[in-house]
Amino acid sequence: ETGVTQTPRHLVMGMTNKKSLKCEQHLGHNAMYWYKQSAKKPLELMFVYSLEERVENNSVPSRFSPECPNSSHLFLHLHTLQPEDSALYLCASSQGTVSYEQYFGPGTRLTVT
Amino acid sequence: GQSLEQPSEVTAVEGAIVQINCTYQTSGFYGLSWYQQHDGGAPTFLSYNGLDGLEETGRFSSFLSRSDSYGYLLLQELQMKDSASYFCAVRGVGNMLTFGGGTRLMVKP
Repeated sequence: ETGVTQTPRHLVMGMTNKKSLKCEQHLGHNAMYWYKQSAKKPLELMFVYSLEERVENNSVPSRFSPECPNSSHLFLHLHTLQPEDSALYLCASSQGTVSYEQYFGPGTRLTVT
Repeated sequence: GQSLEQPSEVTAVEGAIVQINCTYQTSGFYGLSWYQQHDGGAPTFLSYNGLDGLEETGRFSSFLSRSDSYGYLLLQELQMKDSASYFCAVRGVGNMLTFGGGTRLMVKP
């Protein structure tokens, strides 16, 4: 048990749907991250929040919209996605953004039809 | 930009020793980390090297040579449960982690 939970674990959505991914960390960390993991590609950093403020946005399309209401919760709002957005979306947390040790959640397997 | 290279796949037998290499090109360097990910699971932190040399944690060791932009993860006394993907990650400019493509390790009986 890593202390980072994600819901749902699996999600199938059409290109016109709107859905949200949720992440919660129980470790008292103050930095949270969204990563995308596609088959045969490296983990791609999408967004970073530190002390509830976004500090990194890696040229992610606007159809992905993050939200961090407090240091324990992170959301990724999805709308009008494309089939190529199908991937495993991982949430992670750490104590400060300079930490070399990040704690990952189990991920949400997203399929866009 | 930053890039990391590691082999895509390695196979070894139970009880053996295996080394997974990682070379990197970064603008700024603050350390090399290793993560393990079992199929269907979350990546979990294994080790970190901020300075040159060898770090040992039980059956796993990690090495870094900053002058060669190179590191490796050494797994000893391999067990079937070590079958997983292993990722190296560099902390560079902006202090964000950039991950390699991962090495899939298959341990055979």
